[in-house]
Formats: sequence, structure tokens, C-alpha cells
Amino acid sequence: DADVTQTPRNRITKTGKRIMLECSQTKGHDRMYWYRQDPGLGLRLIYYSFDVKDINKGEISDGYSVSRQAQAKFSLSLESAIPNQTALYFCATSDSASGRAYEQYFGPGTRLTVT
Amino acid sequence: SQQGEEDPQALSIQEGENATMNCSYKTSINNLQWYRQNSGRGLVHLILIRSNEREKHSGRLRVTLDTSKKSSSLLITASRAADTASYFCATDEFGAGSYQLTFGKGTKLSVIP
Repeated sequence: DADVTQTPRNRITKTGKRIMLECSQTKGHDRMYWYRQDPGLGLRLIYYSFDVKDINKGEISDGYSVSRQAQAKFSLSLESAIPNQTALYFCATSDSASGRAYEQYFGPGTRLTVT
Repeated sequence: SQQGEEDPQALSIQEGENATMNCSYKTSINNLQWYRQNSGRGLVHLILIRSNEREKHSGRLRVTLDTSKKSSSLLITASRAADTASYFCATDEFGAGSYQLTFGKGTKLSVIP
């Protein structure tokens, strides 16, 4: 969905490096999410944010941190990347005011490889 | 932990045939959704069924929900090659109030032209 963009789309980094993945949305949604997807598995929630001042841990937050710089921007950081963080990362948004708050809209994903 | 589990893990059919995939979940839910993911791309919302609904249609999609069995099925009728994708169910836990979704591992559908 072009309304939710992620940068970079692909990234190869070395163990121990700090890396930031960025997500921007033009949908005007208040809620934003970060997921990771591993081959053959579904998505697992890392962090979510219901507004700029609200940050919540998801199922697998260890080793990750996030920042909600504005309603439209939500970034994910790996402070010291490790190989088992190699995965496909997705940002998603939802709109609590729409009456369809459970429906999430996904970005195209960032493929991260940690060597 | 993953709430939804899809079955089968993979499904291969001929174009024009119907495809049925199933999802089982563990706890009481508010809603159940189905999403589609084309290879390596973001998920796209297909349909949402509420816990008090038993069946819902959208175009060639038919979703059923059996809360007593904690299961749902997605039927795609008259499949097309473009339906080739992975399909995921996602649930949100009743009473949690957090709007968090828990995704299953997905069913990989291949539609052969």
C-alpha cells in the first residue's frame, strides 16, 4: 500500500551494528505497529503505538526499540544487530476513529539481513 | 504465542477450482480477519467477521466462523492464477481492548493456470 512506506526496502548489516528502520504513513491513522516475519511463520508483533505519547511492547520486543516521532512516523531500531534478527519487517497502521480500528494496513516491508 | 493456526500449510489447485483454508484459534475473540500476502510483500486486508456473525461474503470470498469450535474457514470460489498468495488469519482477543492482532502461520495457495 503506497500510503504506508518503509525505508530502506533491503538492508544488509553486520553483527553489532546499530540500524534503524523507518515507517511513514499518509493515511492519517493514529495507530502504528511493527512486526517481523520469519520464513514459514506468521507475523509477530514487536511494538505498537496508539498515539505519539503511547508506546507498548509486543510479543517480541527484546533487542528492539522504537520511536514515534510524529503521528505519521514510527521508527524501529536494533541497537546491536544479531544474526537471528534477520527477517522481513513490516510496519502497519490502523485508524481508531474509523469504526474499522481492527483492520490494519501494511507497508511493503524491509528485508533485513544480519551477517 | 500465535493464536491462529491455518490448515493446510500449503494448497495447490487448478484455476477455476474452489480453495478452502481453515483457521483455528485458542481464546475468545472480538473479530477474526483474513489477510493475503503476495510473495515478499505486505499483507492486504481481505475480510473481517465479527464474533456474533456466522458467515460473510465479499466478492468471491466466503468466510465462516464457528465460535463454539474456535475455527474459521475462508473459501475462494472460481480461483484465478492471481489468487496465488499466502493467506493469514488474524484474531484479536476478547476483552483485551488493545486492538492487537495475533496472526497464524498462513496457508500458501498456488493456483495453476
